Formats: sequence, C-alpha cells, structure tokens
Amino acid sequence: EADIYQTPRYLVIGTGKKITLECSQTMGHDKMYWYQQDPGMELHLIHYSYGVNSTEKGDLSSESTVSRIRTEHFPLTLESARPSHTSQYLCASSRTGKIDNEQFFGPGTRLTVL
Amino acid sequence: GENVEQHPSTLSVQEGDSAVIKCTYSDSASNYFPWYKQELGKRPQLIIDIRSNVGEKKDQRIAVTLNKTAKHFSLHITETQPEDSAVYFCAASKGYSSASKIIFGSGTRLSIRP
Repeated sequence: EADIYQTPRYLVIGTGKKITLECSQTMGHDKMYWYQQDPGMELHLIHYSYGVNSTEKGDLSSESTVSRIRTEHFPLTLESARPSHTSQYLCASSRTGKIDNEQFFGPGTRLTVL
Repeated sequence: GENVEQHPSTLSVQEGDSAVIKCTYSDSASNYFPWYKQELGKRPQLIIDIRSNVGEKKDQRIAVTLNKTAKHFSLHITETQPEDSAVYFCAASKGYSSASKIIFGSGTRLSIRP
C-alpha cells in the first residue's frame, strides 16, 4: 500500500546518544521533508529534499543531518541528542507537478531525551 | 521566499455556528493552497485544497476561497460539529516547481463548544 512510514514511533534515550530516525515512502514522491512539532503547535521545517542527492536546511536551526541516497528513503540523524531535542518529528513527502501536489505526513516519531 | 501568515491562532465557536480561518501569502507565484487538519495525537491530513485558477471550492461543510489580487485565502466551516475540533494549518506552494517547498502557516486551534 502506498504510504509514508516512520520508525521508531517512540524513542527514549539519554543525552549524548547518536540516533537515526527513519522515514520511507512508497509513493514515488520526489520531495521529502522533516518537521519538528510540539503537540498541537507550529510545524517547524528542519530539512527538506527536492530529490536524490539534494538536501537543504529548513527554517529551524537544527543539530541534525539528513541524507537522500534513494528516492524513497530520507533518514534524519542526531549526532548527540540533548533534552532540547525532545519533541515530535514528522516526515512528509509530496510530488512536483501541475496536479496532485498533496503533501502526505508520516505518523511521527516522539523523541524524549533524558 | 514565501511567507504565510495565519489568523487567528485560537478560535472557539458554538456547535452549529460557522468558523473562518484566514491566511495571507507573500509570493505571487504560489499556485497551490492546501488546508490540513490535525486532530489530537494524529498526523496532519489534507482536507481541501485550491489552485490559483479557481476562486472558490466547496466540499460538503467546508469551503475555501482565494483572492489572488490580495494574496489571501480562507477556510470556512459551516454547521460546526464536535469532530471539527482540531488544529488547522494553511499552506502555499508553487506545486509545479521542482525547487519549491510548501510553506505552512502557524496553525489555528479550533474548539467547538457544545
């Protein structure tokens, strides 16, 4: 089934740990995004990609990095997690074109850094 | 770059009344304007969208209007029901452009009073 998937759904880790949040989509979308969102609050864009080997930083300063080696996969890595990184991380994807530009969101990863 | 302003940030209406959320955008080249609804604990989901070649679009109790000259668009919900309580996000993008990202407004928390 065409969808966008994120793993893990929940993660509790200690300060200083390196983590990777996984995101995959099976819709063949060229664009992918990572957002940070506290519950019910604004969507803060932290990274986006227009296609394979294309990544850009978003509006929110972040200590994370991303890669886009395959169209369907857009992982987010935190080299050294801190309590300030505690939040929900939403991955999304969309298609460029004259029609069908809907952005689809994944279920999110809720990260807690102790 | 594109900037999207959304008002109000919170809105409380009596069940059965109408609710209106307004957004303005800055980039006159934007041509795709979606609205997302995010229920508590869930991912944002598209509820309606409009393109710049259309002035109004309706889907049952929800409608969106677009004024390209003034660069603003609005979401109208009629006969509100308890299940309409959620956070709503407007957005703007140049859907046809491979180098364009979607820009979200800051969100409106809508509460329906019984």
